[in-house]
Amino acid sequence: DQQVKQNSPSLSVQEGRISILNCDYTNSMFDYFLWYKKYPAEGPTFLISISSIKDKNEDGRFTVFLNKSAKHLSLHIVPSQPGDSAVYFCAASALDKIIFGKGTRLHILP
Amino acid sequence: NAGVMQNPRHLVRRRGQEARLRCSPMKGHSHVYWYRQLPEEGLKFMVYLQKENIIDESGMPKERFSAEFPKEGPSILRIQQVVRGDSAAYFCASSHRGPSGGTQYFGPGTRLTVL
Repeated sequence: DQQVKQNSPSLSVQEGRISILNCDYTNSMFDYFLWYKKYPAEGPTFLISISSIKDKNEDGRFTVFLNKSAKHLSLHIVPSQPGDSAVYFCAASALDKIIFGKGTRLHILP
Repeated sequence: NAGVMQNPRHLVRRRGQEARLRCSPMKGHSHVYWYRQLPEEGLKFMVYLQKENIIDESGMPKERFSAEFPKEGPSILRIQQVVRGDSAAYFCASSHRGPSGGTQYFGPGTRLTVL
């Protein structure tokens, strides 16, 4: 039973355009959400987070949107750059538990 | 300010041997998490520890796997009598606070290969 789902295993986006990565969750008890980026043979790197009391958080080229009623969050990257090519994991947490999605592989095309 | 340290980075074991993976959290962090990533799969939570206590081990296999986070020293993930299916990348993360509101910072991982 996947509590955090990233339904797109991969996504290709032209350099300079907007990349939108999506994540759905099922547990309404989750109150903190995070996005991580991972390059091959490295550990995940924290990108951006959002608390359930907010619906948007922005940090430079990265913006996370949270729609609590739909139990959906998304990560927007604009403009997309070649170095953004990586696997992106969303994660949701509550109390003593954190659950990661299976990841979406983002390819930035030249 | 060093990040999360893991060693060794690569570990090769034969079936039946023991594997010990070490994780030193970021300075000031008392919460440690272990994850496993199988090839072409996402991060699977294994265990969450907070200094000398196991808080949640719901992701740990019931046999052969154990974890500790002593008062002094690194956190250890121990796998006894390894089998080929244990081959994976094992990541450790640490945080200043618990999962709710606490951002986890990951180490570079230990890649375990069982021959």
